[in-house]
Amino acid sequence: NAGVTQTPKFRVLKTGQSMTLLCAQDMNHEYMYWYRQDPGMGLRLIHYSVGEGTTAKGEVPDGYNVSRLKKQNFLLGLESAAPSQTSVYFCASRDPGLYNEQFFGPGTRLTVL
Amino acid sequence: KQEVTQIPAALSVPEGENLVLNCSFTDSAIYNLQWFRQDPGKGLTSLLLIQSSQREQTSGRLNASLDKSSGRSTLYIAASQPGDSATYLCAFGSSNTGKLIFGQGTTLQVKP
Repeated sequence: NAGVTQTPKFRVLKTGQSMTLLCAQDMNHEYMYWYRQDPGMGLRLIHYSVGEGTTAKGEVPDGYNVSRLKKQNFLLGLESAAPSQTSVYFCASRDPGLYNEQFFGPGTRLTVL
Repeated sequence: KQEVTQIPAALSVPEGENLVLNCSFTDSAIYNLQWFRQDPGKGLTSLLLIQSSQREQTSGRLNASLDKSSGRSTLYIAASQPGDSATYLCAFGSSNTGKLIFGQGTTLQVKP
């Protein structure tokens, strides 16, 4: 099993450009999440999904959109990138249940100039 | 608003020491609490998960405890090794949706 994978690993954008980050998991998990990690701020939840075709806002959703058209994939989109979106983005997945851990991908390092 | 605080922010110890990392949270309505390890430039690796009715979980040299009444969790690392050097994050889960609120982490350095 590859677990949770993220594409791309690194990206540099100019202000105003758009891009999509792809998260894929092969564990058949129902729930998927997008977080961003910034120095001094820890990880913060952007959006999440509790099943195929569903999405919901997290703590810091502004400027981002998501889609979960297939159970194994969760896409994070930036329509018009801003320097404030420079961050490391992590995707995670888990199954429902009290004992189920959240598994994380390796991250995407995004710089917006 | 739920807040998760980790103290200390950084810790340096000689190899072989036993150590405790602290995590405190403001909301007692906890679903579960998860401890993660993060190596520089890498993703998060789950270490231990304690669900709300449990008081502790153990894995090898690691032991995590949960005290809901005081809003605290501790991660105990026995006989620390240089390979334990990393950032340790605790995360508070408030519901079955799995949304986690993270502390800012404790960066541990174990010196040979």
